[in-house]
Amino acid sequence: QQQVKQSPQSLIVQKGGIPIINCAYENTAFDYFPWYQQFPGKGPALLIAIRPDVSEKKEGRFTISFNKSAKQFSLHIMDSQPGDSATYFCAASGGGTYKYIFGTGTRLKVLA
Amino acid sequence: NAGVTQTPKFQVLKTGQSMTLQCAQDMNHNSMYWYRQDPGMGLRLIYYSASEGTTDKGEVPNGYNVSRLNKREFSLRLESAAPSQTSVYFCASSDPRIGSYSYEQYFGPGTRLTVT
Repeated sequence: QQQVKQSPQSLIVQKGGIPIINCAYENTAFDYFPWYQQFPGKGPALLIAIRPDVSEKKEGRFTISFNKSAKQFSLHIMDSQPGDSATYFCAASGGGTYKYIFGTGTRLKVLA
Repeated sequence: NAGVTQTPKFQVLKTGQSMTLQCAQDMNHNSMYWYRQDPGMGLRLIYYSASEGTTDKGEVPNGYNVSRLNKREFSLRLESAAPSQTSVYFCASSDPRIGSYSYEQYFGPGTRLTVT
């Protein structure tokens, strides 16, 4: 019940495309869903996060869509650029704890 | 502000050797965490410290010990290293507060450990 399942494992898109990364969770007590971006050789950094009281959140070219009934959330990257090539992790937290449960990651490559 | 710093950046150990990974944060955060990152496994929590003076096991604590030395520092010790502990280790910190929106965790640059 504590797992966060992330797909796909890897993704290749052309510049300008819209990669979509999906995550599913089981614990309905989770109430904070962040996405982290990690470049090679660096630590992960917060990209965008959402609470379950809204269905969508946008920050620049990055959008989280949240479906509470399906217990799923996804990251969309609009007009993707080669500089977006990185590994993306979803996570979930809440239910009386601020610990994260991370997904297994998606390696994104955006071709020029 | 340096944020979260980790030392060393790289380390090679022989099986059975011990070592301590150091982590420090200058953001006055209460909570600190140690993760390991392995290909295809994501980030898995080893130990965490909710506040100075407290530590708790995470998902994969076996073979590790931690010390929350003070509010700034949180160290991870491998008493007898094994090849299965070859990984990249990340320290993180956060300052979750009741009623706050964000549980954001700030990560250090990582320590790449190889056990032969």
